[in-house]
Amino acid sequence: DGGITQSPKYLFRKEGQNVTLSCEQNLNHDAMYWYRQDPGQGLRLIYYSQIVNDFQKGDIAEGYSVSREKKESFPLTVTSAQKNPTAFYLCASGLEGGKLPQHFGDGTRLSIL
Amino acid sequence: SQQGEEDPQALSIQEGENATMNCSYKTSINNLQWYRQNSGRGLVHLILIRSNEREKHSGRLRVTLDTSKKSSSLLITASRAADTASYFCATGANDYKLSFGAGTTVTVRA
Repeated sequence: DGGITQSPKYLFRKEGQNVTLSCEQNLNHDAMYWYRQDPGQGLRLIYYSQIVNDFQKGDIAEGYSVSREKKESFPLTVTSAQKNPTAFYLCASGLEGGKLPQHFGDGTRLSIL
Repeated sequence: SQQGEEDPQALSIQEGENATMNCSYKTSINNLQWYRQNSGRGLVHLILIRSNEREKHSGRLRVTLDTSKKSSSLLITASRAADTASYFCATGANDYKLSFGAGTTVTVRA
């Protein structure tokens, strides 16, 4: 079945540690996105990529980094510079960005140890 | 930046009743989309309405769009327990991004 797979489902970060969240899609979508969701709030865009080897900062990119070496994969690294990383992280993909629906994974919940 | 704002923030209804939620936005859009999120899960796309459309239906869902008022509404008819979820509107422009609102949490009581 086509879809987006995020792993792990739960992740714990120690102080000063970088952690990487995985996002893989087999929908053959060009565009991929990372969002952050805090309790009771909407989604805020961290980074997005329209094509392989290209990505742009979203609204809250500080403390995060991404790569897009393959069409299917868009990993997100939460660096130690992100002082408040506890949140629910959602990955999405789409064909034409804001003009067509985005397809979401089931998220990774990141907490601080 | 979050462009869409949903109203109300929370809604509790009896099974079989209709649920209506509204979304307002600030800038010009190409389309407006509604998504559902069950607790602890990702978002699921429900319906997309383009800026030149006024109303759209999908099963028990009815969406309206009023671009002059920069607002949209989502109506869920004959609600079921499985409709319990958070509902988000998202606006799309002519770039690669969607802007999401903070959502409406709907609880359907048996």
